[in-house]
Amino acid sequence: QVQLQESGPGLVQPSQTLSLTCTVSGGSISSDDHYWSWIRQPPGKGLEWIGYIFNRGGTFFNPSLKSRVTMSLDTSKNQFSLRMTSVSVADTAVYFCAREEDDFLSFDSWGQGILVTVSS
Amino acid sequence: EIALTQSPGTLSLSPGERATLSCRASQSVSSTYFAWYQHKIGQAPRLLIYGTSNRATGIPDRFSGSGSGTDFTLTISRLEPEDFAVYYCQSFGGSPPYSFGQGTKLEIK
Repeated sequence: QVQLQESGPGLVQPSQTLSLTCTVSGGSISSDDHYWSWIRQPPGKGLEWIGYIFNRGGTFFNPSLKSRVTMSLDTSKNQFSLRMTSVSVADTAVYFCAREEDDFLSFDSWGQGILVTVSS
Repeated sequence: EIALTQSPGTLSLSPGERATLSCRASQSVSSTYFAWYQHKIGQAPRLLIYGTSNRATGIPDRFSGSGSGTDFTLTISRLEPEDFAVYYCQSFGGSPPYSFGQGTKLEIK
C-alpha cells in the first residue's frame, strides 16, 4: 500500500519561500497511472488544490496560485516537492501531498499533512 | 470554479443510526469524477467513494454514494464509533479543475 509523508519547515517568514517535500513509499512516482498533488487547508477553512506534477515532470497549477508555485520530481529518492514564493499569512495552512489516480480523478492516497505557519 | 456546498455543516447522531450527507454543486459535474473522503484530525484523509458510487479499497459496505448532475449523497447505513469524523466531497471540472466542499462534521450525539 502506498504511503506519503510530508516534510519541511513548520515556520516560514512573510515574503520568503515555502519548500515542502513528499516522500512516497510502497509505489513509484514514475507510474504512468498517477498524478502527484499538493492540497492545503487553512485553519478553519476547506481544502484547496494547489497543483500536480506527473512522471515526465509536467505540471498543472491552480490559476490563483500559478504565479508563485513550482513543483519538481526526484525519481531517485521517490519524492516530489512544492515551492511557493512570496508567502503571506494567508498561506498558513496544513499542506497535504496526495496521489491521484487518472481513471476517476480522485485522490486515493494522502499524507497526514504538515502545518506551515507564516509568521515573523 | 465549481462550488460544492455540503449540508448539514454538523450532523449529530448516535452509533447505530443512519447518516445522510449532501453535496450540491454550483453546476452539473460528471458523476465519473465525484468522490467522498473521510478525515480525522491528525490523520491522512481517506478516500471512501469514487465515481459517485464506487467504494474504495477496504471501505465497509455501510458506506454508499449516489447522485448525479448537481446533487450527490453519502449514506452511512449504520454508524460505528469510528465513523465520527469530517467528510468532504470533491469533483473535477472547471477552473481550478479540482473542487472540495467545506466539509460536514459528523459528531456523536
